[in-house]
Amino acid sequence: AQSVAQPEDQVNVAEGNPLTVKCTYSVSGNPYLFWYVQYPNRGLQFLLKYITGDNLVKGSYGFEAEFNKSQTSFHLKKPSALVSDSALYFCAVRDTYNTDKLIFGTGTRLQVFP
Amino acid sequence: EAGVTQSPTHLIKTRGQQATLRCSPISGHTSVYWYQQALGLGLQFLLWYDEGEERNRGNFPPRFSGRQFPNYSSELNVNALELEDSALYLCASSLAPAGAHTGELFFGEGSRLTVL
Repeated sequence: AQSVAQPEDQVNVAEGNPLTVKCTYSVSGNPYLFWYVQYPNRGLQFLLKYITGDNLVKGSYGFEAEFNKSQTSFHLKKPSALVSDSALYFCAVRDTYNTDKLIFGTGTRLQVFP
Repeated sequence: EAGVTQSPTHLIKTRGQQATLRCSPISGHTSVYWYQQALGLGLQFLLWYDEGEERNRGNFPPRFSGRQFPNYSSELNVNALELEDSALYLCASSLAPAGAHTGELFFGEGSRLTVL
């Protein structure tokens, strides 16, 4: 079955430190991968995507993600965390068999402490 | 330009009742998706409408249904409500189906349904 796993329910990091939010995937064929962020009481916002090309993808708000085919991972990163980055982050992959839908992970709550 | 709008923001119902949730996509977007976000379960795909037709549905019982109107707005109906239907229901729209190369969905802020 196609799936996305976010192994950490919560990630805590001090402001100014680098952050990583982990995501691994399991799909047939070439993956289309996405990161979304959900701020409190808001809908999800698109951050970045990987379709093809450079393994390092840059997105909104200084975030980037690295696609690693051998490890089937697509970890979200930021060199220097801000308190305002505190939110719920979702990794998603396009369903290979139903290409009209995205399969989301269970989310990782990022808490950045001042 | 207005984003995806959903109504109502909050809805409280009792078991066995029916709930209707509404969504207006971004102007020009023809695809509308519904997701359920229940606590601890992430986002579960419910339904996809495009050009007025139901194109796909997730693994939910038939009491979850909906439709898309000629102006591309959409309605999600949940019949015979059960306690476990309590969740945040998110609507998203896109210019093209997620199978297109962008796959970028624009989400509304959701409708929180509480079933007592």
